[in-house]
Amino acid sequence: AQSVAQPEDQVNVAEGNPLTVKCTYSVSGNPYLFWYVQYPNRGLQFLLKYITGDNLVKGSYGFEAEFNKSQTSFHLKKPSALVSDSALYFCASLHYGNNRLAFGKGNQVVVIP
Amino acid sequence: NAGVTQTPKFRVLKTGQSMTLLCAQDMNHEYMYWYRQDPGMGLRLIHYSVGEGTTAKGEVPDGYNVSRLKKQNFLLGLESAAPSQTSVYFCASSQRGVVSYEQYFGPGTRLTVT
Repeated sequence: AQSVAQPEDQVNVAEGNPLTVKCTYSVSGNPYLFWYVQYPNRGLQFLLKYITGDNLVKGSYGFEAEFNKSQTSFHLKKPSALVSDSALYFCASLHYGNNRLAFGKGNQVVVIP
Repeated sequence: NAGVTQTPKFRVLKTGQSMTLLCAQDMNHEYMYWYRQDPGMGLRLIHYSVGEGTTAKGEVPDGYNVSRLKKQNFLLGLESAAPSQTSVYFCASSQRGVVSYEQYFGPGTRLTVT
């Protein structure tokens, strides 16, 4: 079985401050982990993924995520948040073989000007 | 390339009516998926397909049927709509292979069942 958890419903951050969106995973075998972003009234857009290799993964729009095996976490980070980063963020894990993604419930990020 | 497109964008149905949602992708992807998105529940997989002519059940398949007659199209059917099927529906597609696993999403269909 595979699952991810996003413990916070909403994250509020001031513009220019660091942004962190938390995700923990429960996966049998090697984890394949993803972050997606959803802007209002739009579909999901891929941000970044961890398959293997470096624990720090860099993605689109200045986002990065750190894979931590001992803490079973894959937190999304951005050093300096923009108002345009306000969106819904989803963490997901992949079942290798049929490419099925299991999504977390999502985190609403609000960046305050 | 248009990527993944969905038709229609919005629809209102009465309980018991039927409809078909169409998903099309022009990226030659093998895999296609239908999800529903409900507040506070993330995205849940309804059905998916790993190739033309094949379909499989996902997490919440009851009340839905699908068909993949052509590689580029994946149809989601509701035979007898219920208010519990009020949701936003997303289609996605992905390649099959070792390197690329990300799914590409359509813009969504907002369905209301009254």
